[in-house]
Amino acid sequence: GAVVSQHPSRVICKSGTSVKIECRSLDFQATTMFWYRQFPKQSLMLMATSNEGSKATYEQGVEKDKFLINHASLTLSTLTVTSAHPEDSSFYICSAPRRGSTNTEAFFGQGTRLTVV
Amino acid sequence: QKEVEQNSGPLSVPEGAIASLNCTYSDRGSQSFFWYRQYSGKSPELIMFIYSNGDKEDGRFTAQLNKASQYVSLLIRDSQPSDSATYLCAVKGSGGSYIPTFGRGTSLIVHP
Repeated sequence: GAVVSQHPSRVICKSGTSVKIECRSLDFQATTMFWYRQFPKQSLMLMATSNEGSKATYEQGVEKDKFLINHASLTLSTLTVTSAHPEDSSFYICSAPRRGSTNTEAFFGQGTRLTVV
Repeated sequence: QKEVEQNSGPLSVPEGAIASLNCTYSDRGSQSFFWYRQYSGKSPELIMFIYSNGDKEDGRFTAQLNKASQYVSLLIRDSQPSDSATYLCAVKGSGGSYIPTFGRGTSLIVHP
């Protein structure tokens, strides 16, 4: 079963509105979560690293005031796309690393397809 | 800038054949290598990881790593139409933080 749950899976919003995406780690604590964006036929691009109890770390070129990240608990990180525009339409995916006996594996959420009209 | 390169494809193979997917990386200090499968509209799922030079087999999948050549590959034996997907190579450098760099992915089509 899924170890990282992402919600919603699909959202359509009007230009200028805000959209919140949730990412939850199930059965394990994630002090760090990662948010990716993927455009059609492109690779996953890391947007930011979400840190529990502290500020997120944004990758170069990602507007922190537009993509608000909150990691208020050890199992939940949220990404809010503020004042969304059509160019923000994309597939957003969260990931949480879980330490195993031999390696640390990154588990992905189901992804959120955002369409801004 | 750390780079992970993959041929975008599509790679088309007949059912039952061996599919060979390749990936090169630029960071010589890279330690961990992962192959993910991503179906259209879905998030990636981990297929295999490999840390040491050589081959690692898991069912129909074999990962091959050559650190000297900075090359990692994934072989899929007895390919099935359900294997049709995009395969992402991910590379993690040294250090404690888990932030892999993803390749662009190779589209695989297995035709009956």
